[in-house]
Amino acid sequence: RKEVEQDPGPFNVPEGATVAFNCTYSNSASQSFFWYRQDCRKEPKLLMSVYSSGNEDGRFTAQLNRASQYISLLIRDSKLSDSATYLCAVNADSSYKLIFGSGTRLLVRP
Amino acid sequence: GAVVSQHPSRVICKSGTSVKIECRSLDFQATTMFWYRQFPKQSLMLMATSNEGSKATYEQGVEKDKFLINHASLTLSTLTVTSAHPEDSSFYICSARKFPLGQGGETQYFGPGTRLLVL
Repeated sequence: RKEVEQDPGPFNVPEGATVAFNCTYSNSASQSFFWYRQDCRKEPKLLMSVYSSGNEDGRFTAQLNRASQYISLLIRDSKLSDSATYLCAVNADSSYKLIFGSGTRLLVRP
Repeated sequence: GAVVSQHPSRVICKSGTSVKIECRSLDFQATTMFWYRQFPKQSLMLMATSNEGSKATYEQGVEKDKFLINHASLTLSTLTVTSAHPEDSSFYICSARKFPLGQGGETQYFGPGTRLLVL
């Protein structure tokens, strides 16, 4: 079983739609959680950290469920510019190394 | 945010040659840097953790004699792919750990990546 798993998609949604991604992790000792956005042939960019209480940044909402060991990302009112691959990342120990999921591809169509 | 650069951004080499990739933290000191590799349509796979002034820590399955890492200063880590083969063709990305944490809680800042093609 992979340490961090995501549905590869693609999720093909119209502009304005709400879309949600989940990411599961296997290590219950995982400490920090992140969502990254990666555009084609570019490096990943941090979208948001995921806090235990859940957090929101504009149209983006991230949540953590420790009991079920998953994190989620909700995107409301999708824009064409949201088309990208969304990677979840988990930091399992004090070494600060990140374990990435395989990414979920989002395509927002006009 | 913090800035990390990589050089070169793209390299094409012949099979059997060695390629050096540099990763620099431009406006902060990084005692720890990480090297990732990403094949097409796959995720980033951590190759090794580079620690300034000490030996790198390699992930399972990564050959330390093939992927030489040197972290000689607080702002520079280098990855040398020795005797490169076509299967080493990939997108190599470094990241640098910044302390204290960034405003968004991020622990790593990524370089723009180096695309390696081995013919």
